[in-house]
Amino acid sequence: QQQVKQSPQSLIVQKGGISIINCAYENTAFDYFPWYQQFPGKGPALLIAIRPDVSEKKEGRFTISFNKSAKQFSLHIMDSQPGDSATYFCAASKGDDKIIFGKGTRLHILP
Amino acid sequence: DAGVTQSPTHLIKTRGQHVTLRCSPISGHKSVSWYQQVLGQGPQFIFQYYEKEERGRGNFPDRFSARQFPNYSSELNVNALLLGDSALYLCASSDPWGGRGEKLFFGSGTQLSVL
Repeated sequence: QQQVKQSPQSLIVQKGGISIINCAYENTAFDYFPWYQQFPGKGPALLIAIRPDVSEKKEGRFTISFNKSAKQFSLHIMDSQPGDSATYFCAASKGDDKIIFGKGTRLHILP
Repeated sequence: DAGVTQSPTHLIKTRGQHVTLRCSPISGHKSVSWYQQVLGQGPQFIFQYYEKEERGRGNFPDRFSARQFPNYSSELNVNALLLGDSALYLCASSDPWGGRGEKLFFGSGTQLSVL
């Protein structure tokens, strides 16, 4: 049973465009929803996170939109840059170190 | 300050062997977690340790074990290796337990290949 479903599996965006990655979760006990960025040969790094009492959170070019009733959340990367090319994971947790990750989205930004 | 450090970076073993992976958390972090990342998948939770005690265990067989030392470093042990154990093993540490420890800092991992 996959508790966090992520789409698309891969994404190609032109430089300067908007990258959008979607996730859905099943367990309503989740109350923390982070996004991680992973470059080849590196471990995941926390990018931005949101709690379900907020519908949107923005940090620089990165925005999380959260829909609690639909149990869905998404990552928007504005003005996408070649340096943003990486694998992105959505995740969910109940407030502890046991993070449930999605399968990841490989993002490629065309120069 | 150094981040989470893991050793070795790469390891090749044969089926049936035993392996020990090591992790040093960020200074001041008392919680260490281990994750397995199979190629093309997201990390999967194996263990969490806090103050030398196991605080959580994922859906992994008893061949997997771990421990945390007084200096908060940790070891992950895997016995009777199977081909399917080939993966990137990630260690993560988090801020001192203040009720919520979700902000994980990951190391670069140990790439284990089982032949």
